[in-house]
Amino acid sequence: GIQVEQSPPDLILQEGANSTLRCNFSDSVNNLQWFHQNPWGQLINLFYIPSGTKQNGRLSATTVATERYSLLYISSSQTTDSGVYFCAAQYAGNMLTFGGGTRLMVKP
Amino acid sequence: EAGVVQSPRYKIIEKKQPVAFWCNPISGHNTLYWYLQNLGQGPELLIRYENEEAVDDSQLPKDRFSAERLKGVDSTLKIQPAELGDSAVYLCASRTMGYSPLHFGNGTRLTVT
Repeated sequence: GIQVEQSPPDLILQEGANSTLRCNFSDSVNNLQWFHQNPWGQLINLFYIPSGTKQNGRLSATTVATERYSLLYISSSQTTDSGVYFCAAQYAGNMLTFGGGTRLMVKP
Repeated sequence: EAGVVQSPRYKIIEKKQPVAFWCNPISGHNTLYWYLQNLGQGPELLIRYENEEAVDDSQLPKDRFSAERLKGVDSTLKIQPAELGDSAVYLCASRTMGYSPLHFGNGTRLTVT
């Protein structure tokens, strides 16, 4: 099946800083999503982005499918951005596979 | 639009006891997933349904786990008997057919003592 790798595994930021999270995947994808898992365990859908660029407030994401990677940008980080960020990828009729996540802590 | 609803939120049982989790997907979502998430790891697929048909259950430990989605809407995941290693968060997710965003419920945190 498809392999999904995320980097960095852990990230500590000062409030107000910007960051870039990376997701590499091993095959062409039909589905690529970014999720935020908050400290209470809830998985929140951030972006559905199999290709191209999308923005939502302080967050934006870019997927370059031909080069098999996706980036999640967080600008002007806030303490509420803390949690774990997952990307998940799917190709053809296979299952959606999650990466190992990036654990983000934003300090006030 | 209501999200994916799961119950219970928490469950504590002794080993060898049975346990069941319930999921109600978003209205109109034909595809339903059960995932397992261990602490510090990403979710791992247990089973996927297209309507009432289980189309991918290769990761489901069938000796003790079972699932059903009889009318193609609600789903139940059962473990019998539970083992200590089953302690985890069990997540349900749904989406429309094809390639569309996946939406998760809040999960059921199972502790087996």
